[in-house]
Amino acid sequence: KAGVTQTPRYLIKTRGQQVTLSCSPISGHRSVSWYQQTPGQGLQFLFEYFSETQRNKGNFPGRFSGRQFSNSRSEMNVSTLELGDSALYLCASRTGTGAYGYTFGSGTRLTVV
Amino acid sequence: GESVGLHLPTLSVQEGDNSIINCAYSNSASDYFIWYKQESGKGPQFIIDIRSNMDKRQGQRVTVLLNKTVKHLSLQIAATQPGDSAVYFCAEIGITGGGNKLTFGTGTQLKVEL
Repeated sequence: KAGVTQTPRYLIKTRGQQVTLSCSPISGHRSVSWYQQTPGQGLQFLFEYFSETQRNKGNFPGRFSGRQFSNSRSEMNVSTLELGDSALYLCASRTGTGAYGYTFGSGTRLTVV
Repeated sequence: GESVGLHLPTLSVQEGDNSIINCAYSNSASDYFIWYKQESGKGPQFIIDIRSNMDKRQGQRVTVLLNKTVKHLSLQIAATQPGDSAVYFCAEIGITGGGNKLTFGTGTQLKVEL
């Protein structure tokens, strides 16, 4: 079966712009989580969505937001980009019903210049 | 490839030797632990998991040990192969606000020397 698909793979943006990243989960998975990976901070949790509802949120500023659609696809948005937002953004999906089997996508590499 | 960490501890082993990667976790209430492998340019890949009511679990060439007393987790890889070269992360699952989240350790770079 198809894995978790993240688009785009690479992105270059300018400070102050906004960006939207997309994640298509594994078919049948209803939970989607987002993580930010940087050399300095490692892997950090951003938020989790299940059935179009945000269930959990990490310690990130309000510039980071997300949503989930009825087909479980998810998007995350970062507004007013800062240089420090440069990172690999990873999406993980799981069934969401008590199982902990997270499957990660390959990520979107965001570079802010 | 992707840089997953500039200051990761590194473990270098000879091909065929056993590898032991260690991890300290923070939340004594965590119920579930997972080891992930991340290769350059890819997302983390599931290796093995263990519940908090267990102290050992074995998979194919891998064993995870859990010591809840000292909040320590280890991953043992038998007969390490070049394809095992990657960054390894431990993660604990916490349940907060009705949802789940993975809290990752800092990672260890495993280098397999021929």
